[in-house]
Amino acid sequence: KAGVTQTPRYLIKTRGQQVTLSCSPISGHRSVSWYQQTPGQGLQFLFEYFSETQRNKGNFPGRFSGRQFSNSRSEMNVSTLELGDSALYLCASSFQGAGTEAFFGQGTRLTVV
Amino acid sequence: DQQVKQNSPSLSVQEGRISILNCDYTNSMFDYFLWYKKYPAEGPTFLISISSIKDKNEDGRFTVFLNKSAKHLSLHIVPSQPGDSAVYFCAASAGFGNEKLTFGTGTRLTIIP
Repeated sequence: KAGVTQTPRYLIKTRGQQVTLSCSPISGHRSVSWYQQTPGQGLQFLFEYFSETQRNKGNFPGRFSGRQFSNSRSEMNVSTLELGDSALYLCASSFQGAGTEAFFGQGTRLTVV
Repeated sequence: DQQVKQNSPSLSVQEGRISILNCDYTNSMFDYFLWYKKYPAEGPTFLISISSIKDKNEDGRFTVFLNKSAKHLSLHIVPSQPGDSAVYFCAASAGFGNEKLTFGTGTRLTIIP
């Protein structure tokens, strides 16, 4: 069974630009969650999509948005990038939902300069 | 407010001995707990979980203990192996499947050969 695939693996963007990250979950998984990891902060929950609907949202500004397609693939968008958005962005898929065993992708390392 | 806390940023253990990683939580609504392991440049990998109706769960060398009254859980690895060297994250959720995972900041475990 193929794992969770995130693209791209690395990104360098300039402050003020926008960026779109992609996540393909494990086949059959309907839940896709996004997390931000920064040094010393652990993993911070961004949002969860389940069957194309945003079911849960973390405490991030509206510049962070996402969507899920009918094939469960998900995209995350960050607009008007700030230096503090530099982080590892992780996508996790699960069958039952964000609060259960989730399988993570390798992440996208975003650097904002 | 850090609802899941891992107070030891790092831990070193001799190969073959027991590794004990600790985690405390403050939210009494949490009823499902998980441990993840993370190697550099990879996403977290699910290790083991425990529901609040249990106080112990074993899977091979890994055992998780839950003390609800103390709001404390621990992960025991016996015997510790060099491949166990990684960052370990504790996570919790409230409402199985319907709530996000709240992660601790991680403990870096180093197994000394």
